[in-house]
Amino acid sequence: AQTVTQSQPEMSVQEAETVTLSCTYDTSESDYYLFWYKQPPSRQMILVIRQEAYKQQNATENRFSVNFQKAAKSFSLKISDSQLGDAAMYFCAYRWGAGGTSYGKLTFGQGTILTVHP
Amino acid sequence: DGGITQSPKYLFRKEGQNVTLSCEQNLNHDAMYWYRQDPGQGLRLIYYSQIVNDFQKGDIAEGYSVSREKKESFPLTVTSAQKNPTAFYLCASRALMNTEAFFGQGTRLTVV
Repeated sequence: AQTVTQSQPEMSVQEAETVTLSCTYDTSESDYYLFWYKQPPSRQMILVIRQEAYKQQNATENRFSVNFQKAAKSFSLKISDSQLGDAAMYFCAYRWGAGGTSYGKLTFGQGTILTVHP
Repeated sequence: DGGITQSPKYLFRKEGQNVTLSCEQNLNHDAMYWYRQDPGQGLRLIYYSQIVNDFQKGDIAEGYSVSREKKESFPLTVTSAQKNPTAFYLCASRALMNTEAFFGQGTRLTVV
């Protein structure tokens, strides 16, 4: 079974600085997707960024970027120029396969609470 | 606006009672999911469905039941057999050939 581990229950960062959230996963599959979701106090899950395992290039979305190390099964999220609105719980998630073959089931890590200090 | 609507936002249940959580989507998505969120455990999959009238158990299906009579609706019933039902429940949906799942705003269930 696939597992996702986030070893940092809590992290903090000063506004405008950079923070990196860690995630490791375990799978025997070669075709999969990885995601970072943000859950603010409203508890709405918001997709931050996704990475396809077959792509060597790390995904980037504005201030958010990932460091995807497939051999090490590591998928960290870097938030640059942190803003107060970035404060939230962040979840790393794994999904096996493409299209309908995997049923789109997500396996989540335990989450990391990010605090942003002004 | 297109999206996923979960209702109610807060729900209280007496022990021994069944309760049904609503999830409706107008995104024309085929696949729908129910997840449970507990503190320190992330989200865990309860049930999922790819098409109408078909659904499968997830990792923690015991004590729960679902139905998928319409494409846009996927209600979750928390039965009295669920030993620890107090949790936050999230519904999600996805277009079959799309990677991204969209989530509702959740229902907080408390057993009193």
